[in-house]
Amino acid sequence: GNSVTQMEGPVTLSEEAFLTINCTYTATGYPSLFWYVQYPGEGLQLLLKATKADDKGSNKGFEATYRKETTSFHLEKGSVQVSDSAVYFCALSTFTGGGNKLTFGTGTQLKVEL
Amino acid sequence: EAGVAQSPRYKIIEKRQSVAFWCNPISGHATLYWYQQILGQGPKLLIQFQNNGVVDDSQLPKDRFSAERLKGVDSTLKIQPAKLEDSAVYLCASSNPWRGSSYNEQFFGPGTRLTVL
Repeated sequence: GNSVTQMEGPVTLSEEAFLTINCTYTATGYPSLFWYVQYPGEGLQLLLKATKADDKGSNKGFEATYRKETTSFHLEKGSVQVSDSAVYFCALSTFTGGGNKLTFGTGTQLKVEL
Repeated sequence: EAGVAQSPRYKIIEKRQSVAFWCNPISGHATLYWYQQILGQGPKLLIQFQNNGVVDDSQLPKDRFSAERLKGVDSTLKIQPAKLEDSAVYLCASSNPWRGSSYNEQFFGPGTRLTVL
């Protein structure tokens, strides 16, 4: 079956530090890959996505590249801000007859301090 | 455009009681999903509707959980009777299927946090 493994948190960084959150996946077929973010007290929001191998998703300074050879989709940001503090979920999607089915990782909490 | 609405935001009940959650998807979205997010875990799909029909309920504990989507719009998720392990955040999401697309984005509501004592 499909599964997503991401690094455990919490990850604590100083403002302007470089961020990497590792994510690897197992899937049949050709999944699409996503990073979702959950800010305190809010619902999940799509941060970025990549739908095929070697695609790079990017948004708000965050980037992730779909690496089929290593089955990875690591999230990176060059300089984090306090406002980036949130829980980040890596996910994959496979298309079924009725729509897309998302499989999530366990989430990584990021804390950014001044 | 209004987002996915859920109510209540918080609910505390005792075990063996019943509880119901309500979801109003984004207008025009044919596909509706209910997820269970236990603390420290990622969301797990419970049930997926396409209009008012069930597409996938393979992970729904049918002995105690039920869900319906009358008229293909709003949806209700019910737990009867609740167990301690049902304590979680219940997320509703919706999407607008597009034939031929390999992906259609799911938009999530704020969730209902359930505590079972």
